[in-house]
Amino acid sequence: AQSVTQPDIHITVSEGASLELRCNYSYGATPYLFWYVQSPGQGLQLLLKYFSGDTLVQGIKGFEAEFKRSQSSFNLRKPSVHWSDAAEYFCAVGAASGTYKYIFGTGTRLKVLA
Amino acid sequence: DTAVSQTPKYLVTQMGNDKSIKCEQNLGHDTMYWYKQDSKKFLKIMFSYNNKELIINETVPNRFSPKSPDKAHLNLHINSLELGDSAVYFCASSQVATGELFFGEGSRLTVL
Repeated sequence: AQSVTQPDIHITVSEGASLELRCNYSYGATPYLFWYVQSPGQGLQLLLKYFSGDTLVQGIKGFEAEFKRSQSSFNLRKPSVHWSDAAEYFCAVGAASGTYKYIFGTGTRLKVLA
Repeated sequence: DTAVSQTPKYLVTQMGNDKSIKCEQNLGHDTMYWYKQDSKKFLKIMFSYNNKELIINETVPNRFSPKSPDKAHLNLHINSLELGDSAVYFCASSQVATGELFFGEGSRLTVL
């Protein structure tokens, strides 16, 4: 079955600290992988995506993610968190070709302490 | 200029009523979607249209009827609203070749 797991429902970090949000997936075909961010009352904005090639991908707002096929993981990282990063983060997976269906994880809520 | 726009942003209505949400995208994408986000923030796909053709219908009750008059528009009509329909409904679009979803800001539906 296709699924995306985000094990951490809530994460709290201090401003300036590093961040890692975990994402594991189960997908039969070669996946497209995404991280989206949702600020309160807003829609989802794409942070970064992995389709193929270099397994370390850079995104907007200083985020990066690493695809590890052997671990079926696509963890999101940021070396130094800013207060404005407080939001809900969603990992998603879709088929690598002609995808119409994206499966989202349940999200990780990030709180940033000043 | 908003890429994916939904109206209305907020809907408050009584059980049993019928309501519609409209969505338009100006990105030239060929695929549009409706997602439902529940109170726990879980996002679940409801429908997907590709060039006005229904591609995905994810075991959604018949009370929900999407309509795509052209590939830039995807509307959602809900009949006989129930308390459990309260959620945020997101419209999204993508170009299948690139795979990236672009979301609207959501329509918060509250059924009393």
